[in-house]
Amino acid sequence: NAGVTQTPKFQVLKTGQSMTLQCAQDMNHNSMYWYRQDPGMGLRLIYYSASEGTTDKGEVPNGYNVSRLNKREFSLRLESAAPSQTSVYFCASSPLGGQVTDTQYFGPGTRLTVL
Amino acid sequence: GENVEQHPSTLSVQEGDSAVIKCTYSDSASNYFPWYKQELGKGPQLIIDIRSNVGEKKDQRIAVTLNKTAKHFSLHITETQPEDSAVYFCAASKGNAGKSTFGDGTTLTVKP
Repeated sequence: NAGVTQTPKFQVLKTGQSMTLQCAQDMNHNSMYWYRQDPGMGLRLIYYSASEGTTDKGEVPNGYNVSRLNKREFSLRLESAAPSQTSVYFCASSPLGGQVTDTQYFGPGTRLTVL
Repeated sequence: GENVEQHPSTLSVQEGDSAVIKCTYSDSASNYFPWYKQELGKGPQLIIDIRSNVGEKKDQRIAVTLNKTAKHFSLHITETQPEDSAVYFCAASKGNAGKSTFGDGTTLTVKP
């Protein structure tokens, strides 16, 4: 099993450009998450999907949209990138969905720079 | 909402010594407290967790303690090794969907 995979690993954008970060998991997990990690800070939840067909806002959703394409895939879209969105983005998945003690499995991250 | 504070932000120990990282949380309804280890260039990985009905949990050289009254929990690593060097995050969760609030992280350096 590859676990949670993310593409691309690195990306540089200019202000105003758009892009989609891709995430896929092969563990048959129900829930998926998108986080951002800024230097010296913990992970902040952007959006999550408790189960296929549902998505909800997290702590910092502004400027982002998500799509739960199917059970395996959860994409994050930046419609008009801003320098404040420069960060490392992590996708995660958890098996059970809807349970507080659900262990989360993280991907390797996408390092995004917006100039 | 929940607020999680983590201390210290950096910690340097000699190989073989113990390391302790502490976190406090604000929401008394939080009932699940995982700890994650993040190695350079990788995503966080769960290393141990504790539920609010348990005071202490051990897994080999790693232990976590929880004081619900004081609303704080700690990670203890004994007999540290260079491969323990990483960033450690605590988190607190309540409610549904496994959403967690993370601390800001502790960079642990174990010197050989």
